[in-house]
Amino acid sequence: NAGVMQNPRHLVRRRGQEARLRCSPMKGHSHVYWYRQLPEEGLKFMVYLQKENIIDESGMPKERFSAEFPKEGPSILRIQQVVRGDSAAYFCASSPKDRNNEQFFGPGTRLTVL
Amino acid sequence: QKEVEQDPGPLSVPEGAIVSLNCTYSNSAFQYFMWYRQYSRKGPELLMYTYSSGNKEDGRFTAQVDKSSKYISLFIRDSQPSDSATYLCAMTPLKDTGRRALTFGSGTRLQVQP
Repeated sequence: NAGVMQNPRHLVRRRGQEARLRCSPMKGHSHVYWYRQLPEEGLKFMVYLQKENIIDESGMPKERFSAEFPKEGPSILRIQQVVRGDSAAYFCASSPKDRNNEQFFGPGTRLTVL
Repeated sequence: QKEVEQDPGPLSVPEGAIVSLNCTYSNSAFQYFMWYRQYSRKGPELLMYTYSSGNKEDGRFTAQVDKSSKYISLFIRDSQPSDSATYLCAMTPLKDTGRRALTFGSGTRLQVQP
């Protein structure tokens, strides 16, 4: 039973480029969450999605960041015009519909902005 | 003031010791409490999950919640070098509030010396 999958594991971008991070939830999980972990800091919630719906985006920066979870395919976190401050580990988590306080995390994508 | 406070450590103990890890929180709406273990450059792994006050035991791990003091603990018995990791507490309000975002402590780094 595969866990949460994220790719790429490492991503290097230059300032001004776009970053696309992908997340495939665990089998049977319909809820996806994105968190960001800055160096020496804890995880911070960004966005909570169900299929084709953004449920809570209260942690998303107002500009340059967007997320989607289409009917088919993985969830995507998109960062446009990246800046050095976007360098962080981005983690995706998923949960089953009936136990959505139990969130299982993927291995993360480490974004480095040069 | 952070919503969840956690001593960053590092906490260094000899193999076989009993480890006590703690978090305090300020938001009385929190009802679900989790402990995650995170190895270096890996994703967080869900260890324990408790609802409201009381104790929960799973093998060498015991989670305790004292809502009157807004204080949660994780005890590790017979600690092993393989327990060396960063331990993150996380919490979230009642399901019916619609919020699913986990609020994390900054993590305590544990080192178990052989």
